[in-house]
Amino acid sequence: NAGVMQNPRHLVRRRGQEARLRCSPVKGHSHVYWYRQLPEEGLKFMVYLQKENIIDESGMPKERFSAEFPKEGPSILRIQQVVRGDSAAYFCASSAQQMGGILYNEQFFGPGTRLTVL
Amino acid sequence: DQQVKQNSPSLSVQEGRISILNCDYTNSMFDYFLWYKKYPAEGPTFLISISSIKDKNEDGRFTVFLNKSAKHLSLHIVPSQPGDSAVYFCAARAGAQKLVFGQGTRLTINP
Repeated sequence: NAGVMQNPRHLVRRRGQEARLRCSPVKGHSHVYWYRQLPEEGLKFMVYLQKENIIDESGMPKERFSAEFPKEGPSILRIQQVVRGDSAAYFCASSAQQMGGILYNEQFFGPGTRLTVL
Repeated sequence: DQQVKQNSPSLSVQEGRISILNCDYTNSMFDYFLWYKKYPAEGPTFLISISSIKDKNEDGRFTVFLNKSAKHLSLHIVPSQPGDSAVYFCAARAGAQKLVFGQGTRLTINP
């Protein structure tokens, strides 16, 4: 039973380039979340998606950042025109959908993508 | 605005003793609390959770206590083992699915 997969694990970009981070949730999970962790800080929520829908993007910067979770394939977090301040660890998490009136709250995290902007 | 706070950046405990990690929150709308453990270069691993309708939840060596009036929760690990050395994050949820994390506490278990 594979957990959350993220790739690449490490990504180096120069300022102005684009970064694409991929996340495959646990099989059967339809809820995906993206978090960012800056050095020596906790994880900060960015965006919450269900299949083909953005549910909550209150943590996403207004510009340059976008996320999608298509019907088929992984969720993608896209950062356009990266700047040095985008350097961080980006974690994806997934959780199961509501079943039988019970909402499963535990989010299972992937290993993260460490983005370095030169 | 730090809604979830872990005021101890680090904690050192003797192997076999009890480890107590603390977490305070300010948002009274939080209805579900979780503890995650994180090793370097890995993602957080879910440990244990508690609903706001309970005041205690136990799972093996791990027990989480919730004091709603004080807006405080704690994680007890007993007995502590060397493999417990990691960074521990407290997280909270308010209705919506997003989690609000504390800054983390680095636990070191000394042999």
